[in-house]
Formats: sequence, C-alpha cells, structure tokens
Amino acid sequence: QTVVTQEPSFSVSPGGTVTLTCGLSTGSVSTSYYPSWYQQTPGQAPRTLIYSTNARSSGVPDRFSGSILGNKAALTITGAQADDESDYYCVLYMGNGIWVFGGGTKLTVL
Amino acid sequence: EVQLVESGGGLVQPGGSLRLSCAASGFALSHYFMAWVRQAPGKGLEWVSFINSGGSAIYYADSVKGRFTFSRDNAKNSLYLQMNSLRDEDTAVYYCARIRSTYYSDYWGQGILVIVSS
Repeated sequence: QTVVTQEPSFSVSPGGTVTLTCGLSTGSVSTSYYPSWYQQTPGQAPRTLIYSTNARSSGVPDRFSGSILGNKAALTITGAQADDESDYYCVLYMGNGIWVFGGGTKLTVL
Repeated sequence: EVQLVESGGGLVQPGGSLRLSCAASGFALSHYFMAWVRQAPGKGLEWVSFINSGGSAIYYADSVKGRFTFSRDNAKNSLYLQMNSLRDEDTAVYYCARIRSTYYSDYWGQGILVIVSS
C-alpha cells in the first residue's frame, strides 16, 4: 500500500521560513506525480495552494512556493504570518484516477 | 462564480445507504473531471473517487470499492455518490471537488457531514 508521508507538525516564528515535505513510501517523488498542496483551517474546506509541483493557484501569495527537494515534494512558506497557522496537505497523483493524500502537517506560527 | 454545493448527508445506521449530491454552478460541468474527498473527524483528507468528464471512467479508493458508486448528470449539473453498506469508519465530511487536467483540485464544496452510527 502506497503511503504519502508528511511531518505531523512543524513550528515557525512569525517572519520565518519553513519547508514542509511530502515523501513516498515506495520511492522518490517526482514531477510525474503532479504534487499539489492544500491549506485547511478547522471547519473549512481545503484551499488550493500549489499544483503541478510548483504552480501557484490563483490568488495565492508568492511567499508560498513548491518544489522537489531531493526525493520529496516540498512546500516552502517564506515570511510566515499568523494566519498561515493551518493544516497543510500534499497529494500525489498515482495514475488511473487515483490520488493519495499525505497525513497532513499541522503548522504552528509562534 | 464557481460553486459546488453538497447535500444529502446525515445520520445513518451501519449497513445502511445514503446518496450524496453535489450541485455545480458557474462553469460547464461537462468539461471537467470531478472527485469526492472525505475527512473523518479529527483526521486527514482521503481521496474517495474520481470520474471523468463523460462518466465513462470511474475509480475508487480500496476502502469504498464495491460499496460506493460515483455518477454524474451533466445535463442537471449534478454529481452523485451512492453509498451502500455503510460502516462506522465512513463517518466523515464529504467534499466534492473539481479536478483540472493537471491532476489537482481547484474548487471544493463546503462539505457535507455523514455520520454512520447505531
């Protein structure tokens, strides 16, 4: 069974930079998995941040960026703000209409 | 404005059935792939099912395969998720989501809660 891994939690200081990662139990994450990233606050629907590894969704500030770092997909937040405190999910496309979400990272800004 | 509005959720007993609907507006539903994603209370997101624009290709997560059926009626701008043989672990908020050709969701509904409990 394919497992997508994310850090369960992360902390960043206001104004700081944080990189969240998204790994794959079966090997390396590449652009072929079309990694995308979503932000979710409690009680709200997810919000799309990044798609196709590094494309920013409409209206997303440029302090959010996506990349491949080593063998993982990565979401970097530069100049973290208080309202960035959320859960962040990555998802990888496995082909044949199948996606696998990571377990999510709870980001604290303090 | 693109909108996805889910309905049909509620409380159902284990083994029971429920049919979720997702009403799409603000775009031509027939041009897009769609998906259902769910989130159990206090847990992460889980992809449930995908359907192509014409409804000819449908895929399911192993956890729901054989129990859930995803369908669409493009003429009515609606999607449906028929859920049978429901289990406690199907308790979740169910989101419908629009899927772009580069395999990501750009719009999500507000979600609908399904509770499976006796």
